[in-house]
Amino acid sequence: GAVVSQHPSRVICKSGTSVKIECRSLDFQATTMFWYRQFPKKSLMLMATSNEGSKATYEQGVEKDKFLINHASLTLSTLTVTSAHPEDSSFYICSARDREVTEAFFGQGTRLTVV
Amino acid sequence: GQNIDQPTEMTATEGAIVQINCTYQTSGFNGLFWYQQHAGEAPTFLSYNVLDGLEEKGRFSSFLSRSKGYSYLLLKELQMKDSASYLCAVMDSNYQLIWGAGTKLIIKP
Repeated sequence: GAVVSQHPSRVICKSGTSVKIECRSLDFQATTMFWYRQFPKKSLMLMATSNEGSKATYEQGVEKDKFLINHASLTLSTLTVTSAHPEDSSFYICSARDREVTEAFFGQGTRLTVV
Repeated sequence: GQNIDQPTEMTATEGAIVQINCTYQTSGFNGLFWYQQHAGEAPTFLSYNVLDGLEEKGRFSSFLSRSKGYSYLLLKELQMKDSASYLCAVMDSNYQLIWGAGTKLIIKP
């Protein structure tokens, strides 16, 4: 399958700072990227969907000013958690899809801990 | 509303067979996916069904009945490494993935 690279895999930051997570499709053009958040022992919660070159579509209840998503190219999307708080600590996962296929490929995930 | 149901947890014995069921109600249907997720890791793709019937891939098989809104994942010759959560996801008419809560599978020796 196609490869999606997500970095960093783990990050610890102080409250009030911002953290950027990168998601790259390495061998295909990702026309659509999805950002998920996963709480312990829970399923994936879709945060937003981004299409290359356009603004992300956020799910209800997700603060777009707090979780900034940029999808400036067909191979890169970034999620920036701004002014992070301990309650933002979670596992964040990106997935990418090429318009030609229906399967979405996942990045490795990022474990964010805000202290 | 859209809904995916699957059991929260299942236990099986090493070497045995286990079937994980998934029922769904979605606005439109463009395929059903099964993913495996080990603790602390991202999900990995297992199977994709869009037509009725059984898809076999090694020790894993996935079945779909669109008229019943039903799928199952069948795991044979269970190994300890199969202990994981198994996520059922349906792609709706907008090509969005609707996720089930996942089934935690515990394998005992």
